[in-house]
Amino acid sequence: AQTVTQSQPEMSVQEAETVTLSCTYDTSESDYYLFWYKQPPSRQMILVIRQEAYKQQNATENRFSVNFQKAAKSFSLKISDSQLGDAAMYFCAYRSGNDMRFGAGTRLTVKP
Amino acid sequence: GAGVSQSPRYKVAKRGQDVALRCDPISGHVSLFWYQQALGQGPEFLTYFQNEAQLDKSGLPSDRFFAERPEGSVSTLKIQRTQQEDSAVYLCASSLVGTGSKWLFFGSGTQLSVL
Repeated sequence: AQTVTQSQPEMSVQEAETVTLSCTYDTSESDYYLFWYKQPPSRQMILVIRQEAYKQQNATENRFSVNFQKAAKSFSLKISDSQLGDAAMYFCAYRSGNDMRFGAGTRLTVKP
Repeated sequence: GAGVSQSPRYKVAKRGQDVALRCDPISGHVSLFWYQQALGQGPEFLTYFQNEAQLDKSGLPSDRFFAERPEGSVSTLKIQRTQQEDSAVYLCASSLVGTGSKWLFFGSGTQLSVL
């Protein structure tokens, strides 16, 4: 079974600074997709960024970027110029076909 | 609709009661997923539909859990004889296709508390 591991239950960052959230996964599939979702207290899961495994180039969405290391099965999220509104739970997710699984999450706190 | 809609937003049930949770996916979305999210944890897969067909129900924790999507749109997750360990947020998500890079659009969930 595919597993997704987030080893940092909590992270803290100063406003305007950069923070990196870690994620590793285990799979025997060659075709899969990786995602980072944000979940604020409203419980709404919001897609932050996605990466296709066949693409070598790391995905970037404004202040959010990933470091995708396929051989190491690592998929970290970097948030630059952190803002107070970035405070939330962040979940790493893996999808292959109809199988989509999530890590346990990292709670990000942003200090003013 | 504009997004995935779930109702009710909160549900309190006495142990032993049956509950039904509703999910209205985005119009035209073929795939529908149910997840269970315990407090402080990530979502755990329960079941998956493609149109009206339930293709995977391997995550349902017991035979007290039942899901349906009879017309390929609205889905209902039913829990019979609720137990305290069923207390969690139940998330519904939909996507356009069953495979590929299409990400899931989530509802805001139903928070179930079993007393």
